[in-house]
Amino acid sequence: DSGVTQTPKHLITATGQRVTLRCSPRSGDLSVYWYQQSLDQGLQFLIQYYNGEERAKGNILERFSAQQFPDLHSELNLSSLELGDSALYFCASSVDTGFNSPLHFGNGTRLTVT
Amino acid sequence: AQSVTQLDSHVSVSEGTPVLLRCNYSSSYSPSLFWYVQHPNKGLQLLLKYTSAATLVKGINGFEAEFKKSETSFHLTKPSAHMSDAAEYFCVVNRNTGFQKLVFGTGTRLLVSP
Repeated sequence: DSGVTQTPKHLITATGQRVTLRCSPRSGDLSVYWYQQSLDQGLQFLIQYYNGEERAKGNILERFSAQQFPDLHSELNLSSLELGDSALYFCASSVDTGFNSPLHFGNGTRLTVT
Repeated sequence: AQSVTQLDSHVSVSEGTPVLLRCNYSSSYSPSLFWYVQHPNKGLQLLLKYTSAATLVKGINGFEAEFKKSETSFHLTKPSAHMSDAAEYFCVVNRNTGFQKLVFGTGTRLLVSP
């Protein structure tokens, strides 16, 4: 068990809808990362937060947004959903932003857009 | 730019035989390198990490990897495969350029037969 909790485990929704994915990092970890895993794109980095502030952006669409709250949990908001957004979304956390700090991953949220 | 290439999309071994999963990296800076494992419907779990200390890195579950700068390689090995090792393995490089941003390889699926 990595200590990173993601909810919900599964989400099925229709095109055009909006969903929110939630992540609670490991106790003591200040940095949260969001990744998207799909069969055709592999693992793609979306965005990183550290202690409430955005630190780095990857291949995140404008329809997607995220935030990290004062209690350090994070939410990833996906709007105007398209079929191609169907994927496994992972949250990971690390103690800081150091290069050598390993990431600890949650079990992911599987999003299916119909 | 940093990148990793996992040379095999699938590797098949018999239980009790050695495992070799190959990874080559490209990095303009001294890299941090990681191997992660993903079991079905699970998040990614850190196996081991290289952070410019010893070139031979020991990880969990009997895995180890050797950093070879001259060959730009970071291959993952295990002397004797177990059935429980069947999973997807990801080689990961980290940018040492001011903030952490992992770059994942495309993954190698390890199949273990009895």
